[in-house]
Amino acid sequence: QSALTQPASVSGSPGQSITISCTGTSRDVGNYNYVSWYQQHPGKAPKLLIYEVTNRPSGVSNRFSGSKSGNTASLTISGLQAEDEADYYCSSFTTNWVFGAGTKLTVL
Amino acid sequence: QVQLQQWGAGLLKPSETLSLTCVVYGASFSGYYWSWIRQPPGKGLEWIGEINHSGATNYNPSLKSRVTISVDTSKNQFSLKLSSVTAADTAVYYCANSRGYDRIGSYWRYSFDYWGQGTLVTVSS
Repeated sequence: QSALTQPASVSGSPGQSITISCTGTSRDVGNYNYVSWYQQHPGKAPKLLIYEVTNRPSGVSNRFSGSKSGNTASLTISGLQAEDEADYYCSSFTTNWVFGAGTKLTVL
Repeated sequence: QVQLQQWGAGLLKPSETLSLTCVVYGASFSGYYWSWIRQPPGKGLEWIGEINHSGATNYNPSLKSRVTISVDTSKNQFSLKLSSVTAADTAVYYCANSRGYDRIGSYWRYSFDYWGQGTLVTVSS
């Protein structure tokens, strides 16, 4: 199972919305709804933002939302805030777990 | 409140065996799968493997020949051993759950909900 493809970096200004893509194949992202998203600040453990493509755990801001179309899942962050500047990872499960390479979000 | 606390040796020499343990507080141990994940300095996350309370394991094929994950349900602990380490194994290692049984929906939820604090393991001669 190959790693999922994410853009290396994205940026946006406070208040704007950004979307991070996560592209897999018909054997993983396209065929299962086991896509999750994680936020990681420097020196910290990752934090779960979205599970099973669209679901937000309790306590996660509704500014974070997930979707999927075909073999590509997406994380959208609306109303960007300075504290959103972090690395973001997608993950998928088939018979094994695989992560994307990560996307660095810069809030301008 | 679910908490994962991990510990283990932080400095190893090439060819030695990495050994880490993670204890779980505040969760039904049998209601989850438990994983190890690592992150080389400045790089992304790599899943190493997972285990359930019965001892059933699932390993990353790229590491399978060197990895052993075990569980001690009496202590709510699970452990990682990675043999024949090299500099390429230098990373922050995290423990986390990788699946959890959602009792409300009566289904297995696939996500890494809870994470340990991470342990930096450096391999150097």
